Amino acid sequence: EVQLVQSGAAVKKPGESLKISCKGSGYSFTTYWIGWVRQMPGKGLEWMGIIDPGDSDTRYSPSFQGQVTISADKSITTASLQWSSLKASDTAMYYCVRLNIAMVTFAAFDTWGQGTMVTVSS
Amino acid sequence: QSVLTQPPSVSGAPGQRVTISCTGSSSYIGAGYDVHWYQQVPGTAPKLLIYGNNNRPSGVPDRFSGSKSDTSASLAITGLQAEDEADYYCQSYDSSLSGLVFGGGTKLTVL
Repeated sequence: EVQLVQSGAAVKKPGESLKISCKGSGYSFTTYWIGWVRQMPGKGLEWMGIIDPGDSDTRYSPSFQGQVTISADKSITTASLQWSSLKASDTAMYYCVRLNIAMVTFAAFDTWGQGTMVTVSS
Repeated sequence: QSVLTQPPSVSGAPGQRVTISCTGSSSYIGAGYDVHWYQQVPGTAPKLLIYGNNNRPSGVPDRFSGSKSDTSASLAITGLQAEDEADYYCQSYDSSLSGLVFGGGTKLTVL
């Protein structure tokens, strides 16, 4: 069974750093792009960026470029999303997703992680 | 504001048919990129419902169907059931942003 299992909820203070993870299993991890999607409380879905775990080619949404860092470690089949200095506005649910085909322009997100809730509050 | 426009809400009685539209521009849907649909039941992660405009993943009932033409796409749900009450999102690719984009989402209420 294809699965993406994310790390647990995090509660942080503004200015702190954070790295959340997403472990893939049940498929060839380096064959499929992995992405991250944000959902702020009561709001819609926003695409943040994607990474090719095979060669670490990474692409960011203009809205998130420079705000977060996406990485992947194929040796442990895990992708990560990290912040160097959190803001209250980063409070949201974050989902990792798997793209169903290699051609990004036509890809859908066929597998979703369970989500990681990040709360940033002083 | 999302680049793909969806109605904020739709509703229908059990057994009825409803459609949800997703309107874009020439830089995404109109450029020939595929449209995909997701269902998000409150409190759960989204789930892929339709991919490649009109294809259903294994396990998705054939009550759900997708279509696309020019700069818009639609999701149709027939034989509406109480369990269909959820938020629905369309998604495509935007060549002007060189990135993936979502619609703003549509809340389906089963009356």
